[in-house]
Amino acid sequence: DAGVTQSPTHLIKTRGQQVTLRCSPKSGHDTVSWYQQALGQGPQFIFQYYEEEERQRGNFPDRFSGHQFPNYSSELNVNALLLGDSALYLCASSPGARSNQPQHFGDGTRLSIL
Amino acid sequence: DAKTTQPNSMESNEEEPVHLPCNHSTISGTDYIHWYRQLPSQGPEYVIHGLTSNVNNRMASLAIAEDRKSSTLILHRATLRDAAVYYCILRDQGTGNQFYFGTGTSLTVIP
Repeated sequence: DAGVTQSPTHLIKTRGQQVTLRCSPKSGHDTVSWYQQALGQGPQFIFQYYEEEERQRGNFPDRFSGHQFPNYSSELNVNALLLGDSALYLCASSPGARSNQPQHFGDGTRLSIL
Repeated sequence: DAKTTQPNSMESNEEEPVHLPCNHSTISGTDYIHWYRQLPSQGPEYVIHGLTSNVNNRMASLAIAEDRKSSTLILHRATLRDAAVYYCILRDQGTGNQFYFGTGTSLTVIP
């Protein structure tokens, strides 16, 4: 039973570019959340997708957007990249947007901005 | 989002019990207490969660104070593989499934 998978594992971009990160949730999970983790910090919540809609959003600018597909997989898009966007981006899945079941995390995509 | 306070770092000897504290004085009645840990170069991993009563699973035990303003994660016998950053998180089931992480406690296990 595959867990949460993310691609790519590493990515290097330059300022001003756009990036798309991908996430496949754990089998049986329909809710996907995205987090940004700067070096030495805890993960920061970006947003959550359920039933192909953004349900919750953290304190991130509109440059951060996402999408969820009918198979529950999800993408995170970041436009006009800044140096400060360099971080580990984590995807987590869970069964149901309001379930108290634990979230399962992928190992993340390491994004470096030059 | 309610806040949690944890020590930045702790050390433990291998095969000894470890008690990781967490203060959450602003906890509300519907907040669940979750613990996750993150090993180097990996995503966070679920450890345990509870609401009011103490909880046990194969990984750890969670002791919740009677007033719920603090909790303690207990690893019964620390191993080298338990070296990680441990996060104590409050989640309000009524507002959705996202988590608000702090900076966590970095646990070092000494052989």
